[in-house]
Amino acid sequence: GQQLNQSPQSMFIQEGEDVSMNCTSSSIFNTWLWYKQDPGEGPVLLIALYKAGELTSNGRLTAQFGITRKDSFLNISASIPSDVGIYFCAGLRQAGTALIFGKGTTLSVSS
Amino acid sequence: GAVVSQHPSRVICKSGTSVKIECRSLDFQATTMFWYRQFPKKSLMLMATSNEGSKATYEQGVEKDKFLINHASLTLSTLTVTSAHPEDSSFYICSARGVLGGDTEAFFGQGTRLTVV
Repeated sequence: GQQLNQSPQSMFIQEGEDVSMNCTSSSIFNTWLWYKQDPGEGPVLLIALYKAGELTSNGRLTAQFGITRKDSFLNISASIPSDVGIYFCAGLRQAGTALIFGKGTTLSVSS
Repeated sequence: GAVVSQHPSRVICKSGTSVKIECRSLDFQATTMFWYRQFPKKSLMLMATSNEGSKATYEQGVEKDKFLINHASLTLSTLTVTSAHPEDSSFYICSARGVLGGDTEAFFGQGTRLTVV
């Protein structure tokens, strides 16, 4: 099935560092979502973005909906060990359709 | 946020038997439910979309007779893996979407690890 281009594929960082990951698409989305998945669990919604240019924060997480509506990024500031996991971006073209997912970014944090 | 409960979290079954996985939205009515399959270290692969009271829409390559989906109520969808084979072993995840999430946000269940022996 169709997927978004998500990068980087994996990251290995030190505790306290900031992290940035992004997703791009060749087509427009109306909604961008960012999820985190822990091993053996389902994805948990972190941030939802509904408007082009929107910048939204959730604690140490900040995400933006690109102006062109074809991209989004997620930043994590001052990373901690519990940030470890797989982060997925997901885009929605229109209500009622299924989300399209990125391939995920695996984050490892060493203390 | 909205709660989606998936059961069982783990199941081991013998080859040739059928397994049913339940997905429930606990605090909202799910107008649409989705079923995904996820292979190790891979992204989620959409299997099918189901709307309450209507037949599920399957993605290309997904056998509808093998993966039976029923969405009988606004809070419950089930996935039945029929005549399971070892290659059906995987992590299955449901998600639900409804008015609570503005009909755009999707909330996921905890996933079901299926092992067919």
